[in-house]
Amino acid sequence: AQSVTQPDIHITVSEGASLELRCNYSYGATPYLFWYVQSPGQGLQLLLKYFSGDTLVQGIKGFEAEFKRSQSSFNLRKPSVHWSDAAEYFCAVGARAAGNKLTFGGGTRVLVKP
Amino acid sequence: NAGVTQTPKFRILKIGQSMTLQCTQDMNHNYMYWYRQDPGMGLKLIYYSVGAGITDKGEVPNGYNVSRSTTEDFPLRLELAAPSQTSVYFCASSRSGRGGDEQFFGPGTRLTVL
Repeated sequence: AQSVTQPDIHITVSEGASLELRCNYSYGATPYLFWYVQSPGQGLQLLLKYFSGDTLVQGIKGFEAEFKRSQSSFNLRKPSVHWSDAAEYFCAVGARAAGNKLTFGGGTRVLVKP
Repeated sequence: NAGVTQTPKFRILKIGQSMTLQCTQDMNHNYMYWYRQDPGMGLKLIYYSVGAGITDKGEVPNGYNVSRSTTEDFPLRLELAAPSQTSVYFCASSRSGRGGDEQFFGPGTRLTVL
């Protein structure tokens, strides 16, 4: 069965500093990988996704993520954080079999200090 | 397009009461999903539907029922509410069931069972 681990429950970062959120997955083959962001009181919005090909994926809002097969990781990064990036971030893995069911990690809550 | 809409936004139930969480999408998506979100646990799939008249269980279906009579609507029914069902519920939809197809999320319903 597939699983996702986000080791950091909370991260506090200063505005303008860089941000990296960790995600490790378990899956028998090459998975589909996603990062979603949830702003307070809102639903989830897709930041970026990896299917195949280039292992460095660009997303919206200046985020990028790198797929590393050898480490079973898909870490999310942003070079310079804005106060509006304060939110909860979820990594998810999707099976390549039909059904499009996602398995989510527990989430990382990001706080941005002025 | 409104996307995925959910009603109500908030609800408090007493133990043993029943209620239906409504979900509607206007994107003509075939696949629809119900998730519950508990703190630190990410999102867990309750039920999903591959089209009108076809539903299937997800990871945590006990205590819930669904139906899909139209493409647009996918209501979630709680028959005998229990405190363990206190959670935030998200509905999502995707165009197809192909692995990796983006899921679009509603704003959520926060349910408390006392």
